Amino acid sequence: DAGVIQSPRHEVTEMGQEVTLRCKPISGHNSLFWYRQTMMRGLELLIYFNNNVPIDDSGMPEDRFSAKMPNASFSTLKIQPSEPRDSAVYFCASSLGQGSATNEKLFFGSGTQLSVL
Amino acid sequence: DQQVKQNSPSLSVQEGRISILNCDYTNSMFDYFLWYKKYPAEGPTFLISISSIKDKNEDGRFTVFLNKSAKHLSLHIVPSQPGDSAVYFCAASARNTGNQFYFGTGTSLTVIP
Repeated sequence: DAGVIQSPRHEVTEMGQEVTLRCKPISGHNSLFWYRQTMMRGLELLIYFNNNVPIDDSGMPEDRFSAKMPNASFSTLKIQPSEPRDSAVYFCASSLGQGSATNEKLFFGSGTQLSVL
Repeated sequence: DQQVKQNSPSLSVQEGRISILNCDYTNSMFDYFLWYKKYPAEGPTFLISISSIKDKNEDGRFTVFLNKSAKHLSLHIVPSQPGDSAVYFCAASARNTGNQFYFGTGTSLTVIP
């Protein structure tokens, strides 16, 4: 398996522009997560989906952020309009999503380094 | 509010010695804990986990200890190797919150040859 695939690896944009980050989870995984890595907050959960349905989006910073999962093999995280403080590394992760299974673990993509100028 | 805390942003250890990374949590409902390792420009990768029914789990050079009463866990690496130099994240999950995983801010470990 190719693992979790994220694109692009790097994104440089100007303030006010729309940014779309993409993720393909591991085939057969039912849960998908979007995290943002910052020095102050570490890996911060933004939103997660189970069976393509958003379960908890309380971590989404504000209305400028939105995420979709139209099918089991694709998800997007969109920022519109982008601001310099959105600059961070954004990770997508997936898991089997078997609920309370104690062998559940996350598999991460390589991340998207976003720079908003 | 940060439910999982790693209070040491960095740690330096001599090769061959023990590395001890610490993690504290606030939510008493957490019952499953994991450690992830992250190299620069890569995503975090799973290292080791422990369920709350145990107080120790060992995998080769890596051992995780859990102290539920203190809401504290630690990762021991013995002996430390230069290839262990990375950022280590602690994560926690509670069964009643489904699959949510809460991460700490990470500890950057440098193993000096």
